[in-house]
Amino acid sequence: GAVVSQHPSRVICKSGTSVKIECRSLDFQATTMFWYRQFPKQSLMLMATSNEGSKATYEQGVEKDKFLINHASLTLSTLTVTSAHPEDSSFYICSARAGGHSSYEQYFGPGTRLTVT
Amino acid sequence: AQKVTQAQTEISVVEKEDVTLDCVYETRDTTYYLFWYKQPPSGELVFLIRRNSFDEQNEISGRYSWNFQKSTSSFNFTITASQVVDSAVYFCALSPYNQGGKLIFGQGTELSVKP
Repeated sequence: GAVVSQHPSRVICKSGTSVKIECRSLDFQATTMFWYRQFPKQSLMLMATSNEGSKATYEQGVEKDKFLINHASLTLSTLTVTSAHPEDSSFYICSARAGGHSSYEQYFGPGTRLTVT
Repeated sequence: AQKVTQAQTEISVVEKEDVTLDCVYETRDTTYYLFWYKQPPSGELVFLIRRNSFDEQNEISGRYSWNFQKSTSSFNFTITASQVVDSAVYFCALSPYNQGGKLIFGQGTELSVKP
């Protein structure tokens, strides 16, 4: 089956620093990748959709200057949390979709737990 | 508006009981997909099922079964003879066909199966 990895799985950083999270599709080419955020005991909220080679599309209320997304290749997307603050502490999950518009299979990464102190 | 509602926040059952997790969705689209995912304490989402809006057949997979009713916009999930390993948070999700594959998740139902 299709595998999506995330790195790191867990990161602790100090307030004001930036953190980069990688999302890789290991055995397929992902034309679209999605980034979700999940606070404790809450649902997954879509942050942005990224298509390879183009700018990400952010959901309403998500600060694009704070959450920088780069989808530089068909197997890698990165999310950078800039100037992180404690309220950014959350579980970040990526997913990847292969194929075109008609493809609906979406594969999730294992998530990255970010703690900002 | 597109929305998924899982009214049951937490459910607790004793092992071997049957349990049904409810999911009600809202969409104006005629083409869409519905999903169920399991999220164990590790956090990694586990795909359980996908249904498209034109396929109302119920499905059974082992102890799991799903009841899709377009008339009531519901896509309920039943676990038969529950086991402790079924303890997890279960999410129902909606993916409108023309929105690039994005998933709209319900609030999740935390299922606790006690021995």
